[in-house]
Amino acid sequence: ILNVEQSPQSLHVQEGDSTNFTCSFPSSNFYALHWYRWETAKSPEALFVMTLNGDEKKKGRISATLNTKEGYSYLYIKGSQPEDSATYLCAAPNTGFQKLVFGTGTRLLVSP
Amino acid sequence: EPEVTQTPSHQVTQMGQEVILRCVPISNHLYFYWYRQILGQKVEFLVSFYNNEISEKSEIFDDQFSVERPDGSNFTLKIRSTKLEDSAMYFCASIVGTGSSPLHFGNGTRLTVT
Repeated sequence: ILNVEQSPQSLHVQEGDSTNFTCSFPSSNFYALHWYRWETAKSPEALFVMTLNGDEKKKGRISATLNTKEGYSYLYIKGSQPEDSATYLCAAPNTGFQKLVFGTGTRLLVSP
Repeated sequence: EPEVTQTPSHQVTQMGQEVILRCVPISNHLYFYWYRQILGQKVEFLVSFYNNEISEKSEIFDDQFSVERPDGSNFTLKIRSTKLEDSAMYFCASIVGTGSSPLHFGNGTRLTVT
């Protein structure tokens, strides 16, 4: 059974701090790795879908890296802002792009 | 930007009652999904739907659950006889169809079973 783990569970940083979280997944039968940002009372919003080992993607102050051989992805936020406060979810499909298996999420709180 | 819409945003029902959660996926998307999150737990897959039939379902998706796409636009999840443990946030999602497409989620329906 595919198991996706995220750490830490929660994080509290000050505005301006840079931060990063980890997503771990089985390195065998890898298809893709998704990152989503989920703000309270909103729908989860896709940040990145990564498929290639060594992939690095960037969206504004947020970037992500992927290591499929060792089974992990890092999400980085540079210069955190209060509006970055959200739960960050990673997920991997068990077969192709059908069933996504989610991690528990990392809950980020950025204080002004 | 087109979005997935879900109604209602919150539904309260009594145990044993039937509920129907409704979703309108993005119009050119081909694959549709229901996920749910019980408070404090992981987001979990329920079912995927393609070409007017279920393509995969989880062990949670037992005979009490059914999905339909009755009119080519709406995508519904029915729970025939709700249990207390069905209380959760239910998300509808859709994708265009390529292997590396992200899911587009609706805002969710919070189902409370009393």
